[in-house]
Amino acid sequence: GESVGLHLPTLSVQEGDNSIINCAYSNSASDYFIWYKQESGKGPQFIIDIRSNMDKRQGQRVTVLLNKTVKHLSLQIAATQPGDSAVYFCAESRGADGLTFGKGTHLIIQP
Amino acid sequence: KAGVTQTPRYLIKTRGQQVTLSCSPISGHRSVSWYQQTPGQGLQFLFEYFSETQRNKGNFPGRFSGRQFSNSRSEMNVSTLELGDSALYLCASSWTSEGTGELFFGEGSRLTVL
Repeated sequence: GESVGLHLPTLSVQEGDNSIINCAYSNSASDYFIWYKQESGKGPQFIIDIRSNMDKRQGQRVTVLLNKTVKHLSLQIAATQPGDSAVYFCAESRGADGLTFGKGTHLIIQP
Repeated sequence: KAGVTQTPRYLIKTRGQQVTLSCSPISGHRSVSWYQQTPGQGLQFLFEYFSETQRNKGNFPGRFSGRQFSNSRSEMNVSTLELGDSALYLCASSWTSEGTGELFFGEGSRLTVL
């Protein structure tokens, strides 16, 4: 089936506003989801994860929401800062098949 | 604690050549995974090694291979390079097998094939 995807390649937000990055997945058998942040010239960095037996998980300034009914995952970043500027990837795990990544959303912070 | 280290960071090869990339995982991590990242295809899973055994393999041709040593360090090899192999190759390590825990990525090896 289709791999994990994202709705928007680029998202521009004002500094201080909340950011919401969306992701759709197609495999209802996926049981583990992760958000990664990749800054220019660096490898992806883990942000937050969530298992399929949960629908919400909070971290520091970040929240991940999982809607299994519509196979939708979102990452909310509160009070967006310049340092949040990066490409954000969602990824799903299908166990033995390794992680499947979406194509990424480039978050741009406007001053 | 040192992070995941990949060498070399940059390299240029010509078509038909072969290349070997190296990855040193975080101390204590037994799982090493490799990913290819390109602008067109994004991040794609190559393979995963756990305790010197290949556990999983992505949908890549046999020209792509890897191995893991007893100290968990891993290498990947690409033979008969093609222009389309130009990419950022990322290594990630984890305490456990792929899909069950956080992956820690290195900064990658950027391969350019001319």
